[in-house]
Amino acid sequence: ETGVTQSPTHLIKTRGQQVTLRCSSQSGHNTVSWYQQALGQGPQFIFQYYREEENGRGNFPPRFSGLQFPNYSSELNVNALELDDSALYLCASSLQGRAEAFFGQGTRLTVV
Amino acid sequence: AQSVSQHNHHVILSEAASLELGCNYSYGGTVNLFWYVQYPGQHLQLLLKYFSGDPLVKGIKGFEAEFIKSKFSFNLRKPSVQWSDTAEYFCAVNAGSTSGTYKYIFGTGTRLKVLA
Repeated sequence: ETGVTQSPTHLIKTRGQQVTLRCSSQSGHNTVSWYQQALGQGPQFIFQYYREEENGRGNFPPRFSGLQFPNYSSELNVNALELDDSALYLCASSLQGRAEAFFGQGTRLTVV
Repeated sequence: AQSVSQHNHHVILSEAASLELGCNYSYGGTVNLFWYVQYPGQHLQLLLKYFSGDPLVKGIKGFEAEFIKSKFSFNLRKPSVQWSDTAEYFCAVNAGSTSGTYKYIFGTGTRLKVLA
């Protein structure tokens, strides 16, 4: 186990709805990154949070947003869900400036 | 832009066969290299990593990988696979940015099936 926990583990939403996914980072880690893993693909970087601010973003539209809290936990919010948002969403925690991150078990989101 | 290529999308082997999964990356600077495994229904698990030093890296479960800088490659090997190695394997690279951000770039993965 990596010490990174995500909730919920599975979620079903309807197209157009909004969803919030949660992540608790490993103890002592101050940086959280989010990845989207579509079926049959490798994980793709969505964004990273450090000191409660976005600190790097991948090629995802603004309807993907996030938060980081003072205890370093994080949320990923997706508005106006589309069918293509169906994927496994992975959270990874690390120390800022360190190369290795530790992944949670993921949240499986299904949009119908 | 950084990219990672995994050439074998599906591999089927019999138990005790040797395994080599190819991984090539595209990036001009210093990178960190990783192999992850994802068992069905489970999270990504780190097999091994390379940051610097000896280019032959040994990881968990008998896996090893060799970094060949001139070929931009980081191939994963195991001398004798077991049925329990059936999983999906991901090669990944990351490199630091001026903001201190490290983002992983993953390959598309290789699905390994080991026949008992």
